[in-house]
Amino acid sequence: GQQVMQIPQYQHVQEGEDFTTYCNSSTTLSNIQWYKQRPGGHPVFLIQLVKSGEVKKQKRLTFQFGEAKKNSSLHITATQTTDVGTYFCAGPSRGGNQFYFGTGTSLTVIP
Amino acid sequence: DTAVSQTPKYLVTQMGNDKSIKCEQNLGHDTMYWYKQDSKKFLKIMFSYNNKELIINETVPNRFSPKSPDKAHLNLHINSLELGDSAVYFCATSKGASGGIEQFFGPGTRLTVL
Repeated sequence: GQQVMQIPQYQHVQEGEDFTTYCNSSTTLSNIQWYKQRPGGHPVFLIQLVKSGEVKKQKRLTFQFGEAKKNSSLHITATQTTDVGTYFCAGPSRGGNQFYFGTGTSLTVIP
Repeated sequence: DTAVSQTPKYLVTQMGNDKSIKCEQNLGHDTMYWYKQDSKKFLKIMFSYNNKELIINETVPNRFSPKSPDKAHLNLHINSLELGDSAVYFCATSKGASGGIEQFFGPGTRLTVL
């Protein structure tokens, strides 16, 4: 079946360092969404990318959607303690009748 | 006003019991979802539902059933609870068709089966 894997599963960084999480799907996705879940909280939508090769920025966060629409990345520049949480990619299958969350990357930022 | 609410927040129960978790949204969204998040934080969609279509993840046991009394509510009923059902269950909603655009999540219900 469809799988959406993220690497790394865990990442510890010093505050101020950069961070990247990679998302890889076994099949083509219609779009890719990114969510952030703070410890003890619920997933919160960050952004959606739709076009092949699309790049979007939100302040220190940069999101990319791969050319083949099977992979994506989230890069955070100069991490802050407020960036702590688990980042999930997610997306519907090409037919749109199934929706998958990635396995998540848990980010710890050491002050 | 909370956009997506769930009750209860915590649920502790014995194996074999039947329980329900309620979800209500005031966003006027068309589609509602149920997710299960296990201890490793993996999020799996269980159901997506709008007034026209119920999509069930084929891996979900038939002990789980969604019930929608109206467009603003999608409750999750679980029969014959098992230890492996212990998890956090999230309700979510979206404006459009299943998976099309951003989803808004409820605060979650932590279910513990003893």
